[in-house]
Amino acid sequence: QVQLLQSGPDLVRPGTSVKISCKASGYAFTNYWLGWIKQRPGHGLEWIGDTYPGSGNTYYNEKFKGKATLTADKSSSTAFMQLSSLTSEDSAVYFCARMSHYGMDYWGQGTSVTVSS
Amino acid sequence: DIVMTQSQKFMSTSVGDRVSITCKASQNVRSAVVWYQQKPGQSPKALIYLASNRHTGVPDRFTGSGSGTDFTLTISNVQSEDLADYFCLQHWNYPYTFGGGTKLEMK
Repeated sequence: QVQLLQSGPDLVRPGTSVKISCKASGYAFTNYWLGWIKQRPGHGLEWIGDTYPGSGNTYYNEKFKGKATLTADKSSSTAFMQLSSLTSEDSAVYFCARMSHYGMDYWGQGTSVTVSS
Repeated sequence: DIVMTQSQKFMSTSVGDRVSITCKASQNVRSAVVWYQQKPGQSPKALIYLASNRHTGVPDRFTGSGSGTDFTLTISNVQSEDLADYFCLQHWNYPYTFGGGTKLEMK
């Protein structure tokens, strides 16, 4: 069965970076786009961008350009999102999700990032 | 960007009721809409894809309808386990955008 297993919660200092991982199993990793979504209380869900592991192609929401960098490692079927220059506005739960013709059909369990000094 | 508007932030219901949650797109998104259910501490679960198709394993009391700009998720015979947040997503155009969510509560 399709599974997306994300890395654990992170507590990070303002101004630093964090890298979240999303390990895929149960499907052909290189054949599907893999998206990232941010969720904060009171701010709903925001699509950050997605990457196609088969080619390395990536699309970003303009709002997150310069903030998020999406990569993927085909050898380990793992996607990564690095968030840089962190502020309190980046404190959120981040999800990865497989993207098919039917939308984001399978989601990871979420990774909580807390930015605090 | 396409704005997806769920005008009802909260809806109250009772077990056995029928409720309809709406989502309006600011532009034509054809049928590229997904409905999700999210419970506290969990990731969103896809219920309906391409506006009106039920995902595998989703009870048939969940029905999606609409195309273009107006979409509806209807839950018939509401059960207690249906109390959750519901979101719509458009994936017709980048950037993909979500509705603000509707919280289904018990009366």
